[in-house]
Amino acid sequence: GQNIDQPTEMTATEGAIVQINCTYQTSGFNGLFWYQQHAGEAPTFLSYNVLDGLEEKGRFSSFLSRSKGYSYLLLKELQMKDSASYLCAVREDSGGYQKVTFGIGTKLQVIP
Amino acid sequence: KAGVTQTPRYLIKTRGQQVTLSCSPISGHRSVSWYQQTPGQGLQFLFEYFSETQRNKGNFPGRFSGRQFSNSRSEMNVSTLELGDSALYLCASSLGGPNTEAFFGQGTRLTVV
Repeated sequence: GQNIDQPTEMTATEGAIVQINCTYQTSGFNGLFWYQQHAGEAPTFLSYNVLDGLEEKGRFSSFLSRSKGYSYLLLKELQMKDSASYLCAVREDSGGYQKVTFGIGTKLQVIP
Repeated sequence: KAGVTQTPRYLIKTRGQQVTLSCSPISGHRSVSWYQQTPGQGLQFLFEYFSETQRNKGNFPGRFSGRQFSNSRSEMNVSTLELGDSALYLCASSLGGPNTEAFFGQGTRLTVV
C-alpha cells in the first residue's frame, strides 16, 4: 500500500526560496514525481527522481532519499506565477504492475 | 504536437444514470491512466491501460470501468451514478516505460445532481 504525506498549505515571499517536503511509505518504490497544478488546470510534470540525490532543472530542484522515504521540491527566486498546488507522486511495483499514487498536494501561495 | 484531449469538458448527470468519458492520448503514447480528483481526496488512481489491456487498477467499485482501443484512445464509464461521483476526471498519457513522464489532459468536470 501507499501513504504519502505533504503539507497542505505553504506561504512564501516573492524572490525567496521555498522547500516543499514529501514523505512516503511503500514496499516497492520505483520513482517519485513532482507535478505543478494551477487552479482549474491539469497537472504538469516538474521532475522525476528514482536514485538518491538532487535533480536540478532551472529554478526548480528535487531531492530524494530512498532510505528515509523522503523527497523535497525546492523552488528558488519565487515568482507570483509559482502560486499553485504541488503534487508529490510515488510509483511502486504492485503485483507485477506499476501504479502511481499521488499525495493530496501542497497549495503554495506566493505573496509580494 | 497535440496534447491529451478529453471530451466532454463539462457534464451534468442525474443520480442513477451512466456516463462515458473519452480521452485521446498524445500520438505515439500507448499508456493511458485515469484519475479522479476531488478537493478532499486529491488525485485518486482509477486504472491504467497499455496496448488495449488494463495494466493496473485502483480501489474503486466495479461501477467504474474503462477500455482502450487499438489507436490508444481510451474511454471511462461510470454506471449508476452517485452524488459522490461528482469530481474532475483526469486522463494522463505516456509512452509507458519505467521513467516516462505523464502528460495530463484538461479533464472532464462531472457533476451529479
